[in-house]
Amino acid sequence: GESVGLHLPTLSVQEGDNSIINCAYSNSASDYFIWYKQESGKGPQFIIDIRSNMDKRQGQRVTVLLNKTVKHLSLQIAATQPGDSAVYFCAENMGLTGGGNKLTFGTGTQLKVEL
Amino acid sequence: DTGVSQDPRHKITKRGQNVTFRCDPISEHNRLYWYRQTLGQGPEFLTYFQNEAQLEKSRLLSDRFSAERPKGSFSTLEIQRTEQGDSAMYLCASSPQGAAGKQYFGPGTRLTVT
Repeated sequence: GESVGLHLPTLSVQEGDNSIINCAYSNSASDYFIWYKQESGKGPQFIIDIRSNMDKRQGQRVTVLLNKTVKHLSLQIAATQPGDSAVYFCAENMGLTGGGNKLTFGTGTQLKVEL
Repeated sequence: DTGVSQDPRHKITKRGQNVTFRCDPISEHNRLYWYRQTLGQGPEFLTYFQNEAQLEKSRLLSDRFSAERPKGSFSTLEIQRTEQGDSAMYLCASSPQGAAGKQYFGPGTRLTVT
């Protein structure tokens, strides 16, 4: 992934609004993508995934869009809640020897939900 | 429903000392991964085990780093002669066979080298 400084991109939204977090990935051969949520002092938590043969996938309050032409992912969170405040990372998958998977994480985005 | 656990959660050590971290994956997950995360960045892949076999190592994993998974269950990550640049969060993740790239992460071990 690209290296970034200590200041993450920040998205501030009002409680109840929809949030859109964007991510650019680097490897056109990546076949699988994941969004993770990371709260302070905790490990990344799986939110939603999408395979490269899809362009949209919906979960509970979340939707992931994939545009392979421009190597872009977005995460949409509906009716954002205070508990959604965290850093969000997209990750692209690359297969490894023996069938394992290496995740390459993009630049995180700090989501702040204002009451 | 037991997730991935890591021990210790925090470790402060002096430069030059050796440290060892432990990861217990979700039971029956045969794949185990170590990542390192520095402040403001996403996790970076270090190494991967399938059962007890270490199948992939990143060039980030210098000779001072060694990881083991002797019985195909828990794993340890040892850093010898720690340097201040080793200060980071060390994350462990696991996944079952055939789970594509979906990995379940532990809470991490925060290492501070003084």
